[in-house]
Amino acid sequence: DAGVTQSPTHLIKTRGQHVTLRCSPISGHKSVSWYQQVLGQGPQFIFQYYEKEERGRGNFPDRFSARQFPNYSSELNVNALLLGDSALYLCASSFSRSYEQYFGPGTRLTVT
Amino acid sequence: EDKVVQSPLSLVVHEGDTVTLNCSYEVTNFRSLLWYKQEKKAPTFLFMLTSSGIEKKSGRLSSILDKKELFSILNITATQTGDSAIYLCAVEDSGAGSYQLTFGKGTKLSVIP
Repeated sequence: DAGVTQSPTHLIKTRGQHVTLRCSPISGHKSVSWYQQVLGQGPQFIFQYYEKEERGRGNFPDRFSARQFPNYSSELNVNALLLGDSALYLCASSFSRSYEQYFGPGTRLTVT
Repeated sequence: EDKVVQSPLSLVVHEGDTVTLNCSYEVTNFRSLLWYKQEKKAPTFLFMLTSSGIEKKSGRLSSILDKKELFSILNITATQTGDSAIYLCAVEDSGAGSYQLTFGKGTKLSVIP
């Protein structure tokens, strides 16, 4: 079975631009969560979606938004990019909200 | 605010050694504690612990949770160079209807031949 997939793998953007990151969960998984991981730190929770509804939001500004589609895939949008948004963005899926989460390979975002 | 502290932050051992990684936590609505291994990018799921005192094992890896003292340990016996990675501990908070994970900074394990 295919694991969690994310696209693109790498991305370079300029300050002030907008970015969209995409995630496809493991087949049968209905919950998707997004995390930001900066160098030397553990992943930090951004959003959780379950059955296409936002179920949790971490301590991130409103520039960050996400949505989940009927096929349970998800996208993360970040507006007005700042240098500090440079990080590895990880998507994780789980069968349901209370099950173990499996991570994708991440998207490495660099903001210049 | 939920908090996870891992120790040590880094560790260098020789092949064949046994290592113990520590994770202490503070969480408002504890649901579970999870261990992940991160080599390049994607953290790989190792264990999910919900009950205190019950050891989970997978090959040379094992983990146990102490809900009274709020900590967990991850043991790796007969270490191999392939065990070199960052080991992440996370706690799951089930408050407010979400099941978000709070991670520690990780323990970087280096196994030398």
